[in-house]
Amino acid sequence: DAKTTQPNSMESNEEEPVHLPCNHSTISGTDYIHWYRQLPSQGPEYVIHGLTSNVNNRMASLAIAEDRKSSTLILHRATLRDAAVYYCILLGAGGTSYGKLTFGQGTILTVHP
Amino acid sequence: GAGVSQSPSNKVTEKGKDVELRCDPISGHTALYWYRQSLGQGLEFLIYFQGNSAPDKSGLPSDRFSAERTGGSVSTLTIQRTQQEDSAVYLCASSSTTPRQGKAFFGQGTRLTVV
Repeated sequence: DAKTTQPNSMESNEEEPVHLPCNHSTISGTDYIHWYRQLPSQGPEYVIHGLTSNVNNRMASLAIAEDRKSSTLILHRATLRDAAVYYCILLGAGGTSYGKLTFGQGTILTVHP
Repeated sequence: GAGVSQSPSNKVTEKGKDVELRCDPISGHTALYWYRQSLGQGLEFLIYFQGNSAPDKSGLPSDRFSAERTGGSVSTLTIQRTQQEDSAVYLCASSSTTPRQGKAFFGQGTRLTVV
């Protein structure tokens, strides 16, 4: 399975933008890039996903490098509620890993008031 | 309900007993996952069901763990002869398959405590 690398932790101040990086240098052409987050004492929740083009939704934006070897999750204005562990996951669209969601260690985001 | 439902929400069992954990996925979702999360740790993949394909059991930690999915819907995770190291939160998720859609929904988990 293609792997992702994320910083262990990041900090931000409330109402400032946050850029969470993810490296996935071994990504295959059919792998989708997914982001989930896990708030304290809750199950993970979907944030955003993309294949090649940048994506925006009400929660965040996803910027994907042209070579697809890295991506960045952007929270435009961090709130205290955004404090969570953020997971960058590659979701295979083919082969034995088709659709399999495997979590790494993620990035612990701390938001300061 | 509209979400993924897991039961029981909490389970305390004695070492050596068998336990069954249940997951009701969102109706129509063909993919179903089980994970476990020990205190302060990340999510450990256990098993993955995708439609009618053979399940991916590569994450099951020992032969004491098994899971089935009946009729493509409800899933049961069974742990036989529980050990203290099995204590964790067991999370179930379902999705409508295809990585293009790929949005998985998680249940609230079953907190298992083996005493």
